[in-house]
Amino acid sequence: TQLLEQSPQFLSIQEGENLTVYCNSSSVFSSLQWYRQEPGEGPVLLVTVVTGGEVKKLKRLTFQFGDARKDSSLHITAAQPGDTGLYLCAGVQGGFKTIFGAGTRLFVKA
Amino acid sequence: EPEVTQTPSHQVTQMGQEVILRCVPISNHLYFYWYRQILGQKVEFLVSFYNNEISEKSEIFDDQFSVERPDGSNFTLKIRSTKLEDSAMYFCASSEAQGSPYYGYTFGSGTRLTVV
Repeated sequence: TQLLEQSPQFLSIQEGENLTVYCNSSSVFSSLQWYRQEPGEGPVLLVTVVTGGEVKKLKRLTFQFGDARKDSSLHITAAQPGDTGLYLCAGVQGGFKTIFGAGTRLFVKA
Repeated sequence: EPEVTQTPSHQVTQMGQEVILRCVPISNHLYFYWYRQILGQKVEFLVSFYNNEISEKSEIFDDQFSVERPDGSNFTLKIRSTKLEDSAMYFCASSEAQGSPYYGYTFGSGTRLTVV
């Protein structure tokens, strides 16, 4: 069974702090996606990373794909209350199936 | 911005009844998916659909489930005889190209299915 482990499961920080969320697996993925999900809504795609070692930036968010394409991280600089939400990583293994992690629930206090 | 539309947003059904969940994917997308999320749990893959046939399905997608693209715009998930454990949020998603680095999956807002 392919698993994507996300850590931490829950993170509560003050506005302005930096944070990193991790997504790890023993499986190799052809691409890995990060989503953000609000309560009662579907996941919204933030970024897709494909190449081992790839780094992508989206304003204050930095995404990195591990060299072996088994793990990824999401770093948020100077977190804001608007960043509060559930962050999901999802791996694609070349087929049609995307495996989701359980998510990291982030709460940013003003 | 193009979006995936799902109806109804919430459906309550009696155990043993059939339900059909409806989705309108983004018009130029070629790949369609159903996922489900039981309250408080992971998003789980159910099935993918391409070129008018199922391309992959999970162990969850048993004989009680079926999918159909009855016309050029709709994509439906049917559950023949619902069980209590089918209660979940069901998400439809579509993508322009499977696994492509340039395209992601666009998810709908989901249908909350409650089986009583």
